[in-house]
Amino acid sequence: DADVTQTPRNRITKTGKRIMLECSQTKGHDRMYWYRQDPGLGLRLIYYSFDVKDINKGEISDGYSVSRQAQAKFSLSLESAIPNQTALYFCATSARTGGDEQYFGPGTRLTVT
Amino acid sequence: LAKTTQPISMDSYEGQEVNITCSHNNIATNDYITWYQQFPSQGPRFIIQGYKTKVTNEVASLFIPADRKSSTLSLPRVSLSDTAVYYCLVGPGGSSNTGKLIFGQGTTLQVKP
Repeated sequence: DADVTQTPRNRITKTGKRIMLECSQTKGHDRMYWYRQDPGLGLRLIYYSFDVKDINKGEISDGYSVSRQAQAKFSLSLESAIPNQTALYFCATSARTGGDEQYFGPGTRLTVT
Repeated sequence: LAKTTQPISMDSYEGQEVNITCSHNNIATNDYITWYQQFPSQGPRFIIQGYKTKVTNEVASLFIPADRKSSTLSLPRVSLSDTAVYYCLVGPGGSSNTGKLIFGQGTTLQVKP
């Protein structure tokens, strides 16, 4: 079984809809992250969480919100989806002392029409 | 966080050694150099990390000169399956790590038969 799982893997939604992407991990890591990747570009950090009670904005948090329901679960929400949020979304985890070595999930391909 | 510059693309043939160089002129004293590999439609995967001199693992070697303003990822005897995007990242590491990775565009390595 994969250490970091994301659901759904693919999603098509309409402009204005609320959508939630979920991430679960079995690595026992404290830190979790959400990134987005646009075609031909590197990943950009949306939000990150160093423990259940710690949530931090990344470089592109506008239009997104997150929830850390448990150590193993970190959800990303788009309150009102817009077409320029069409992208590949990745969840990642890392140990408290190993922030440079992050373990990524398989990604969620989101299309907003 | 220090800016990195690496070639957009490289071509190689199976069995050759590939060296990808990354420039990071503004690297800070507590910055580490980390490389990730990403296959299409997958999350990035940690390859190697170093602070100075040379680091080697079962996958790659990382060469860092004394001034640390550049680094070279060396992949020995590449195969077709090494075709991927390779990202060079520079940021606080070790006990100073913040978990905030900055991905640039990366280097697309194409290995030909």
